[in-house]
Amino acid sequence: QKEVEQNSGPLSVPEGAIASLNCTYSDRGSQSFFWYRQYSGKSPELIMSIYSNGDKEDGRFTAQLNKASQYVSLLIRDSQPSDSATYLCAVRLISGGGADGLTFGKGTHLIIQP
Amino acid sequence: IAGITQAPTSQILAAGRRMTLRCTQDMRHNAMYWYRQDLGLGLRLIHYSNTAGTTGKGEVPDGYSVSRANTDDFPLTLASAVPSQTSVYFCASSDLPLQVVSTGELFFGEGSRLTVL
Repeated sequence: QKEVEQNSGPLSVPEGAIASLNCTYSDRGSQSFFWYRQYSGKSPELIMSIYSNGDKEDGRFTAQLNKASQYVSLLIRDSQPSDSATYLCAVRLISGGGADGLTFGKGTHLIIQP
Repeated sequence: IAGITQAPTSQILAAGRRMTLRCTQDMRHNAMYWYRQDLGLGLRLIHYSNTAGTTGKGEVPDGYSVSRANTDDFPLTLASAVPSQTSVYFCASSDLPLQVVSTGELFFGEGSRLTVL
């Protein structure tokens, strides 16, 4: 059974601070990991992908992956009110039997307080 | 603008009625997916298609059917709608079947909000 777990929040962070979002996954066969941002009433949009252990930085965003601990995180530096959204962790498993999409966590609701 | 188009954007439907949600993409992506999103349950995969002519079941396929007659279109049909199918439905696509390592970004449509009474 594939599972992706996130704290639902809300996570409240002051403007300008670092927001840290965490995700754990159950299947050691998982190969690819994604963070999507979803504003209320909108569709998810990809903000980061990571495939290897370690850190990957893109602007104010850093994704961190630790496959041994089955843990992936997203750091948002210099948080802005526009970062307020729900962040979805998504994991892809190479099933071997056919593509079956991404498995998503339930999302963490992030609030950046001005 | 290239992307995924879903229709209708919103629909209220009587229980027992048949409904087809349409999804069209113009990115020539091989793989397409239907998810439903419910409060507290997140995004759950209903059906997927790796390529035209093939389909597969996701996590919550019961009560839904799909077809993939060509690359661009992937309609989702509710044969006899029930209130538990009230949800927001997202169609998504990706450029390769997801067996391939280091790929897999999903592009989402804007969603179809369905209410079954």
